[in-house]
Amino acid sequence: GENVEQHPSTLSVQEGDSAVIKCTYSDSASNYFPWYKQELGKGPQLIIDIRSNVGEKKDQRIAVTLNKTAKHFSLHITETQPEDSAVYFCAASSRTGNQFYFGTGTSLTVIP
Amino acid sequence: GAVVSQHPSWVICKSGTSVKIECRSLDFQATTMFWYRQFPKQSLMLMATSNEGSKATYEQGVEKDKFLINHASLTLSTLTVTSAHPEDSSFYICSAPFGILEAFFGQGTRLTVV
Repeated sequence: GENVEQHPSTLSVQEGDSAVIKCTYSDSASNYFPWYKQELGKGPQLIIDIRSNVGEKKDQRIAVTLNKTAKHFSLHITETQPEDSAVYFCAASSRTGNQFYFGTGTSLTVIP
Repeated sequence: GAVVSQHPSWVICKSGTSVKIECRSLDFQATTMFWYRQFPKQSLMLMATSNEGSKATYEQGVEKDKFLINHASLTLSTLTVTSAHPEDSSFYICSAPFGILEAFFGQGTRLTVV
């Protein structure tokens, strides 16, 4: 099955700086890669996603890049704010779609 | 966007009792729903796939008699933790597919077995 690895496990940045989280996956058939933000005691919230036919996608301060050849994708958050502090999970779709394999999570802390 | 509602958000039960968790897709139909389990500071692990009108598919190592899943309608799936024990305490999250690739998640249920 799919194996998704995520780094780093914890990340602290100063407010206003950028944060980068990286993930790798093993199954070349995966074609959809969402990123989720999870706040304490809540379910994951989709923040951005990318499909395999796209190399980069941006939504305001958040961007995601995908390298299908190398099987890795990254989340970039610019101009970080304290409210960005949360646990972020990357995921890769299964061969059948809709079902995801999650990375191990990155706890992001933005220091005011 | 599409909304998936999960109920209850938290529950405390005594060891040996059963607990039912509901997952509803509020503004779209879902013939399939997924149930995940998350231990503190860990990732989400897929437990089972719920299928409307047929049996659920369980991931390896998940006890189907312990975690009963019923997909009663196109908008409702339930997970029942039977004869709960303290080691079943966890955060349970459901998701419903939306479109070909996407999925939306419920807000999760914190189960504590005492």
